[in-house]
Amino acid sequence: DADVTQTPRNRITKTGKRIMLECSQTKGHDRMYWYRQDPGLGLRLIYYSFDVKDINKGEISDGYSVSRQAQAKFSLSLESAIPNQTALYFCATWTGVHGYTFGSGTRLTVV
Amino acid sequence: QQPVQSPQAVILREGEDAVINCSSSKALYSVHWYRQKHGEAPVFLMILLKGGEQKGHDKISASFNEKKQQSSLYLTASQLSYSGTYFCGSSTPSGNTPLVFGKGTRLSVIA
Repeated sequence: DADVTQTPRNRITKTGKRIMLECSQTKGHDRMYWYRQDPGLGLRLIYYSFDVKDINKGEISDGYSVSRQAQAKFSLSLESAIPNQTALYFCATWTGVHGYTFGSGTRLTVV
Repeated sequence: QQPVQSPQAVILREGEDAVINCSSSKALYSVHWYRQKHGEAPVFLMILLKGGEQKGHDKISASFNEKKQQSSLYLTASQLSYSGTYFCGSSTPSGNTPLVFGKGTRLSVIA
């Protein structure tokens, strides 16, 4: 099993719909992150969490919300999806000396 | 603030060497390097924590000049498998900040 699992892998949704992207990890790491990747822009931080009771906004949090349901689970929600939220979304955990472990990503298309 | 990577893209023939640079306008605590192949998640290569630190990983190595606030990734005798986009990620001296990634350098190795 992968250390970090994201679901779904691909999703097409309509403008205005609410959508949730899920992330779970098996290694018991405290720190979890959501990044968004757009071509030519690199990875930009949306939200991060250092434990269940600690949630922090990142650089581009507007239009997004998160929930840390348990140490292993960190979900990202788009309350009302818009086309410019079309992107590749990555969840990651901090492993310490081995840096970040990323999930396989969710490719989201908003039409 | 996002670190600046250079070059943006480079094409190499097998066996050639390349250097990818990463610089920041802010003081750096650590620098991470990741490689992402097309359609896949970024994969951790190495982390540099101290100014002057150098590390190696097969024929890929990196250095960190804390005073100059920059890091360089060295790819020696490149192989086809080195193709991908390389990202540097930096954190600031507070230690607990999430990584801020550069926009990436696309490396293509051709036969």
